[in-house]
Amino acid sequence: GNSVTQMEGPVTLSEEAFLTINCTYTATGYPSLFWYVQYPGEGLQLLLKATKADDKGSNKGFEATYRKETTSFHLEKGSVQVSDSAVYFCALPFSGSARQLTFGSGTQLTVLP
Amino acid sequence: ETGVTQSPTHLIKTRGQQVTLRCSSQSGHNTVSWYQQALGQGPQFIFQYYREEENGRGNFPPRFSGLQFPNYSSELNVNALELDDSALYLCASSLSPVGRTEAFFGQGTRLTVV
Repeated sequence: GNSVTQMEGPVTLSEEAFLTINCTYTATGYPSLFWYVQYPGEGLQLLLKATKADDKGSNKGFEATYRKETTSFHLEKGSVQVSDSAVYFCALPFSGSARQLTFGSGTQLTVLP
Repeated sequence: ETGVTQSPTHLIKTRGQQVTLRCSSQSGHNTVSWYQQALGQGPQFIFQYYREEENGRGNFPPRFSGLQFPNYSSELNVNALELDDSALYLCASSLSPVGRTEAFFGQGTRLTVV
């Protein structure tokens, strides 16, 4: 089945710093790729997604590009805010296009004012 | 349109007991998936239900079982609870089990086994 490896955390940044969280995957074919965010005490929210190679997903200033040559889907944001403090998960389907997801271990981001 | 709701939000059980967690899917969604998220870890897929039938299962023992009802709500049952079952249990619903539709997650149920 498919799998994902996510950059270990935690990550601590000052407000307005640049953010990169690395994610690489192993997959059969070209499945959709996702980034989910989990704010303290809450469930998961879809942050962005890309459905095919070379697609760029974006939302709330976050971006990630589906790169098949490096099997990566790194999350980036040019200027983080305190409100971005959360845990970020990279995910893809177990196999094919099913909605059964396999997640990375998560990266805790703390943004300091 | 209501989102995915889970109940209860927290509960404490004793080792060896049984527990039932509940999930109401988002309106119009016929697919429900359950995940276990241990502290500091990513969610692990338990199983998925589609139109009242199990449609895929992760690496969890048979004491983890589920149901889906005609209104597409779902239950997760865990028998013979173990300390390692302590986790956040997440339910996610989607319009279908395949394709590129989004999965929407509930807030989760925090289970503590003592």
